[in-house]
Amino acid sequence: GAVVSQHPSWVICKSGTSVKIECRSLDFQATTMFWYRQFPKQSLMLMATSNEGSKATYEQGVEKDKFLINHASLTLSTLTVTSAHPEDSSFYICSASGNIGQGEGTEAFFGQGTRLTVV
Amino acid sequence: GEDVEQSLFLSVREGDSSVINCTYTDSSSTYLYWYKQEPGAGLQLLTYIFSNMDMKQDQRLTVLLNKKDKHLSLRIADTQTGDSAIYFCAEKGTGGFKTIFGAGTRLFVKA
Repeated sequence: GAVVSQHPSWVICKSGTSVKIECRSLDFQATTMFWYRQFPKQSLMLMATSNEGSKATYEQGVEKDKFLINHASLTLSTLTVTSAHPEDSSFYICSASGNIGQGEGTEAFFGQGTRLTVV
Repeated sequence: GEDVEQSLFLSVREGDSSVINCTYTDSSSTYLYWYKQEPGAGLQLLTYIFSNMDMKQDQRLTVLLNKKDKHLSLRIADTQTGDSAIYFCAEKGTGGFKTIFGAGTRLFVKA
């Protein structure tokens, strides 16, 4: 299947600093990328949907000024957690969807996730 | 709004079959998916089924869809300890690319 690479896989940062997480589609063009947040033992919560070259669409309750999303190219989207606080500590997962040319539908492929710990 | 529900925990013995069930509310679902998540990792697409199908088999995996009852199941034959993970049911409706996930079923395989 298609490959989505997410970097870094884990990061520890000090409270008040910003952290950038990258999501890359390695072998296909991702017209749409999704960012999820997962709390321990819970399901994925969709934070935002981004289409290449346009502003991200945020889900209700997600602060767009705190979670900055940039989808500048068809293979890269970034999530920046600004002025991080301990309550932002979580597992963040991206997924990418696009024309993978395999005729298997429009399912999205997921990155391996980034565990953010804010101390 | 759309909702996807699944049981939270399942325990089976190695070699037995596992059946993970899921119900959803969106009658306009187009695709239904099963994902596997191992500890500390992202999601791996296991299989999917299009809404006009009622069964799909892929090696040890069998997906059954009852569209009338909005019920989806995943059967894993000859379950192995390596199958221990969290399994997420998900559906994609007419809203486009947005996918709704269940809370995940934690499968524990006893040797």
